[in-house]
Amino acid sequence: GAGVSQSPRYKVAKRGQDVALRCDPISGHVSLFWYQQALGQGPEFLTYFQNEAQLDKSGLPSDRFFAERPEGSVSTLKIQRTQQEDSAVYLCASSLVGGRPSTDTQYFGPGTRLTVL
Amino acid sequence: DAKTTQPNSMESNEEEPVHLPCNHSTISGTDYIHWYRQLPSQGPEYVIHGLTSNVNNRMASLAIAEDRKSSTLILHRATLRDAAVYYCILRDVATDKLIFGTGTRLQVFP
Repeated sequence: GAGVSQSPRYKVAKRGQDVALRCDPISGHVSLFWYQQALGQGPEFLTYFQNEAQLDKSGLPSDRFFAERPEGSVSTLKIQRTQQEDSAVYLCASSLVGGRPSTDTQYFGPGTRLTVL
Repeated sequence: DAKTTQPNSMESNEEEPVHLPCNHSTISGTDYIHWYRQLPSQGPEYVIHGLTSNVNNRMASLAIAEDRKSSTLILHRATLRDAAVYYCILRDVATDKLIFGTGTRLQVFP
């Protein structure tokens, strides 16, 4: 069946450019997460949606990072005025239900590798 | 958030069992123990989770110590496809996000 998809898979941006990364979660999944993974590190949480509501954005590193999920399905992570330290793989994950975090499985997409020159 | 400690790397030969340890001495009574793995150039994937009792599924087994301060992920017969970074993660009732450490990089040799 269809899993989580992300586009583009690779993105090269010049420093100062804005980028938009798209995530298509598994159909019917309520919860959606964004993570950032630097080279050689484990993923780090950025933000979390339950349907269209952004319930946790504590991991967003600066106000240049913005995420939205306006209709409770597709989500977009936008990074304004990209910096070299933004270079990383950005992972999206979805899970079926919210409110039962201890046991809810997250399904990850393949990620978008962002390189800022 | 409770912290986990894992070895940086481990090696195994194909078709041998692999025991991946995880220490979590500050685990609370409501924390579930989850394992995810990340194959090269892919997103993480769920492996198994448990609370107190040992658990088995088609991918692996999870052995949880009686005091819950440690656990072991067991791959019964390693294959080349099992080469990945394995993450041990504690999840409590209030935390939706996954908090990854640096994990254990498992190498499998033919």
